[in-house]
Amino acid sequence: SYELTQPPSVSVSPGQTASIPCSGDKLGDRYACWYQQKPGQSPVLVIHHDTKRPSGIPERFSGSTSGNTATLTISGTQAMDEADYYCQAWDSNNQRVFGTGTEVTVL
Amino acid sequence: QVQLVESGGGVVQPGRSLRLSCAASGFTFSSYGMHWVRQVPGKGLEWVAVIWDDGRNEYYTDSVKGRFTISRDNSKNTLYLHMNSLRAEDTALYYCARSHEYGGQWDYLDYWGQGTLVTVSS
Repeated sequence: SYELTQPPSVSVSPGQTASIPCSGDKLGDRYACWYQQKPGQSPVLVIHHDTKRPSGIPERFSGSTSGNTATLTISGTQAMDEADYYCQAWDSNNQRVFGTGTEVTVL
Repeated sequence: QVQLVESGGGVVQPGRSLRLSCAASGFTFSSYGMHWVRQVPGKGLEWVAVIWDDGRNEYYTDSVKGRFTISRDNSKNTLYLHMNSLRAEDTALYYCARSHEYGGQWDYLDYWGQGTLVTVSS
């Protein structure tokens, strides 16, 4: 089955840039999206179709892809951005797959 | 505004069945695909199933194929997950989520409910 791999944790200082990679076989041939989940809350979509930001999501959130890796970047990270982040992609069996998740800590 | 409200969770013995419901409001339910996603407390997200807007297609993660059935009643704006032969590893918080379109490939999940907890234990 298809797998998406993320680092378990990323630490960033306030105001700095956090980059969260998501790697998977031929991920560049698929669209990736990203979800933010804060403790005790439901996930929220922050990026879709690799780079598109839904309305209401701050401009500091951006997405990119290169080869087999999709990356979520948070520029000028704020304390409120502390959360778990999951990438997600479509599998050829019409299934969806979530990444392993990354906990972002703002130190 | 879009609202998704799950219900039907609870404690159930291994091997038994349970039906989850997701009541939708604030949008034209019959125009959107719908998903179930689950999460073991403290763990990551796991996609479970999707059903297309008109119910003509449904797909499942391998671990629930043959045991779970996703369905919908567009006249009642309600999504269901029928879970049979439940196992301890099915214990999780179950979210319903809306596809941004009919439920086909390249879709994404743009609205999520608050989830309903299923505990499989003797």
